[in-house]
Amino acid sequence: DQQVKQNSPSLSVQEGRISILNCDYTNSMFDYFLWYKKYPAEGPTFLISISSIKDKNEDGRFTVFLNKSAKHLSLHIVPSQPGDSAVYFCAAEAGNMLTFGGGTRLMVKP
Amino acid sequence: DAGITQSPRHKVTETGTPVTLRCHQTENHRYMYWYRQDPGHGLRLIHYSYGVKDTDKGEVSDGYSVSRSKTEDFLLTLESATSSQTSVYFCAIKGSGDTQYFGPGTRLTVL
Repeated sequence: DQQVKQNSPSLSVQEGRISILNCDYTNSMFDYFLWYKKYPAEGPTFLISISSIKDKNEDGRFTVFLNKSAKHLSLHIVPSQPGDSAVYFCAAEAGNMLTFGGGTRLMVKP
Repeated sequence: DAGITQSPRHKVTETGTPVTLRCHQTENHRYMYWYRQDPGHGLRLIHYSYGVKDTDKGEVSDGYSVSRSKTEDFLLTLESATSSQTSVYFCAIKGSGDTQYFGPGTRLTVL
């Protein structure tokens, strides 16, 4: 049973528009959430994180929202750029271990 | 760059042979992790270490063993490789702010 799910395997958006990537989780013990970006043939790169005591964290063009009651988090990218095209993974931490979602491939079209 | 290197970067081996992958860090982090990435599964934790000679199992540990005799090195061993272990393997360390940082990966093919 997947504890962290990304239900959209892919997303296509126009350059300059907003990209919204979603993630759902089931384990209430998760207390820290992260987003990673991955290019082909490279390791995942940390993007942004949020503690379970917060509902929003912003870093430049990237904002993560956490809705604990719905067990849902989302990553907003505004404005989207072609260089943002990659696979995005959400991850949730409990007890020093991360559980990852299956990833969403984002394609930003010029 | 969290000072993580993995070796080898690519390996092709045959079923039944032993394989060892190495993760090396330069920043003295306590926690180190091994993951595998497969299509549709994201990254799944194999084993992790919380200090020298201190290791524990992750979600998909069957068929894998690990060792950590020095802070900077974390080894992943497939005692007898199988085709189901064909994957991309990533090492990670836990850095500041509880964030894990990943190495470049090792692509392993078991024929």
